[in-house]
Amino acid sequence: SQTIHQWPATLVQPVGSPLSLECTVEGTSNPNLYWYRQAAGRGLQLLFYSVGIGQISSEVPQNLSASRPQDRQFILSSKKLLLSDSGFYLCAWSVMLRPGSYEQYFGPGTRLTVT
Amino acid sequence: QKEVEQDPGPLSVPEGAIVSLNCTYSNSAFQYFMWYRQYSRKGPELLMYTYSSGNKEDGRFTAQVDKSSKYISLFIRDSQPSDSATYLCALSNYQLIWGAGTKLIIKP
Repeated sequence: SQTIHQWPATLVQPVGSPLSLECTVEGTSNPNLYWYRQAAGRGLQLLFYSVGIGQISSEVPQNLSASRPQDRQFILSSKKLLLSDSGFYLCAWSVMLRPGSYEQYFGPGTRLTVT
Repeated sequence: QKEVEQDPGPLSVPEGAIVSLNCTYSNSAFQYFMWYRQYSRKGPELLMYTYSSGNKEDGRFTAQVDKSSKYISLFIRDSQPSDSATYLCALSNYQLIWGAGTKLIIKP
C-alpha cells in the first residue's frame, strides 16, 4: 500500500529565515505530487504540482519554491520566510481515475508558524 | 464567481441527527465529485467519490450528485461525535478544484 510522509510535523521559524519541508511517497512510482497550503479555517490552496523528476508547475507566484530531486521526493523551500507564509502545508499524491480525473491522498501535514 | 461554493459553517447538530453538507459549482465539465474529511491538525482523507450524477452509499454516508442543478451533497445518518470534522468537496476535471470546507460539530 502507498504511504506518504511529511516532516517536520510542526515548525516555528523567525521572519527572514529559510525553509525546507520534505515529502516522500512509498509504494508507488512516478506519482503526481502536490504541495498545498491551508490557512486557518480556510480551504486548500494549490502551491505547486509535479508530474515527474525536475518538472514543477507553480500555481501561485509567491515567496516559495519547490523541487523534485527524486521520483518520490518533493521539497518545498523558501530563502526568506514572511509572516504570511504561516499555515498548514500539505503534500499529496494522486491516482488517475480516468484521463483527466484524479483523486488525491494527503500526508499528515506540517504546521508552520512564522514569528 | 468561484468555481465551487461551500458554506464554511460551522454546522452544529445533536448526536443521531441526519447531516446534509452541500457544494454548488459552475463548470458543467466536472466529472468526478469527491468528499474529503479533515480532522483538526490532520491531512484530509478521501471519504468517497461519485462519477457523474446519482447516489453512492457507504455505510452511514451517502454522496449525491445533481449535475442538472450543479449541486452535490453528502448525507451522514446517525451522526456521531467522531464525525466532527471539516468536510471538503473536491471536483475533478484535469485538476482538483476544492471547496472551502464545512466545519461540522456533532454535540453529544
